Amino acid sequence: GIQVEQSPPDLILQEGANSTLRCNFSDSVNNLQWFHQNPWGQLINLFYIPSGTKQNGRLSATTVATERYSLLYISSSQTTDSGVYFCAAGGYNFNKFYFGSGTKLNVKP
Amino acid sequence: NAGVTQTPKFRILKIGQSMTLQCTQDMNHNYMYWYRQDPGMGLKLIYYSVGAGITDKGEVPNGYNVSRSTTEDFPLRLELAAPSQTSVYFCASRLIAGDPNQPQHFGDGTRLSIL
Repeated sequence: GIQVEQSPPDLILQEGANSTLRCNFSDSVNNLQWFHQNPWGQLINLFYIPSGTKQNGRLSATTVATERYSLLYISSSQTTDSGVYFCAAGGYNFNKFYFGSGTKLNVKP
Repeated sequence: NAGVTQTPKFRILKIGQSMTLQCTQDMNHNYMYWYRQDPGMGLKLIYYSVGAGITDKGEVPNGYNVSRSTTEDFPLRLELAAPSQTSVYFCASRLIAGDPNQPQHFGDGTRLSIL
């Protein structure tokens, strides 16, 4: 299957700071999704972004499929941004997604 | 519109017992998935289904069974519970029709402990 690596594994930010989370994948992908797992364990869909750039408020994501990576940008971080951020990558058969181990973000007030 | 609903939310089992985790979605999605998430880890795919009557194995299928008799429901069965199956289980669904650029939608998870 596709190997997915996320960095950094842990990140501590002061409220208001910006950050960039990275997701590298080992093979060509046709599906790439970013999630936020909140402290209650719920998985919140942030972006479906197999290529290109998308923005939603303070969050944006860019996937460069030819270079096998995706980036998630968080600007003006808030304490509610805390949690674990996962990326999941899938190939061309739409069937299987492979998750990275996540980036654990702690935003301090 | 409830989305993806999982029941129960929590369960404690004894070793060797069996149980079924329920998952239902009301979005008429054709693809459905079961994942498990061990502490501090990402999710791993157990089984998936591309439509009613069609299921296939994911990365970690051993010890589990699934069925898909309707579009809405995708139950996961544990036949002989083992401590290694202690985990949080997530069900997801996705619409693949025409435009393939559709995200997965997740339920809130079932936290299962086997003692």
